[in-house]
Amino acid sequence: RKEVEQDPGPFNVPEGATVAFNCTYSNSASQSFFWYRQDCRKEPKLLMSVYSSGNEDGRFTAQLNRASQYISLLIRDSKLSDSATYLCVVNTMNRDDKIIFGKGTRLHILP
Amino acid sequence: GAGVSQSPSNKVTEKGKDVELRCDPISGHTALYWYRQSLGQGLEFLIYFQGNSAPDKSGLPSDRFSAERTGGSVSTLTIQRTQQEDSAVYLCASSPLSITYEQYFGPGTRLTVT
Repeated sequence: RKEVEQDPGPFNVPEGATVAFNCTYSNSASQSFFWYRQDCRKEPKLLMSVYSSGNEDGRFTAQLNRASQYISLLIRDSKLSDSATYLCVVNTMNRDDKIIFGKGTRLHILP
Repeated sequence: GAGVSQSPSNKVTEKGKDVELRCDPISGHTALYWYRQSLGQGLEFLIYFQGNSAPDKSGLPSDRFSAERTGGSVSTLTIQRTQQEDSAVYLCASSPLSITYEQYFGPGTRLTVT
């Protein structure tokens, strides 16, 4: 099993629809989780941290399921500007710090 | 405040030459990371500096790659005897404390080895 795995997509979704991505991770000792978005030929930018209790920021909701070892991102009422690649990040601090980026899920919002 | 800056933004070099890439992290951030990203690919971790601790170099692909961080601030990534497969975007990021905190990325340096 890969350390961090994402469906590469692309997800082609009509504007206004709801879309959800999952990201699975293999290390049960992982401690912090994030979603980033990356636009074409740009650097990644933080979208949301993911907390154990789940968190929401406007149209975006992030959830963590430790038992099943995945995080999710839900985008409601999708906009054309949501088109991007969404990267999940899983950090582990044991004897060695480890930062793992997923390869990303591409999202295309269709007009 | 100012974000992470990187220079140069673009670098074209001939195979076999050495290159230096520079990263200025956000002021006060103790953690600094280097990644590279080839076209259409995910981020590949290269090296991680945390305060005064020895850096985590586990991601450096060969001994042609090295990095240093002077005074806990500016970092330089050096690639010696560049090869065509080194062509990629090199991204630097910083975070306030440790890896448990979010990272802020610079715009990257696009390296092309001809």
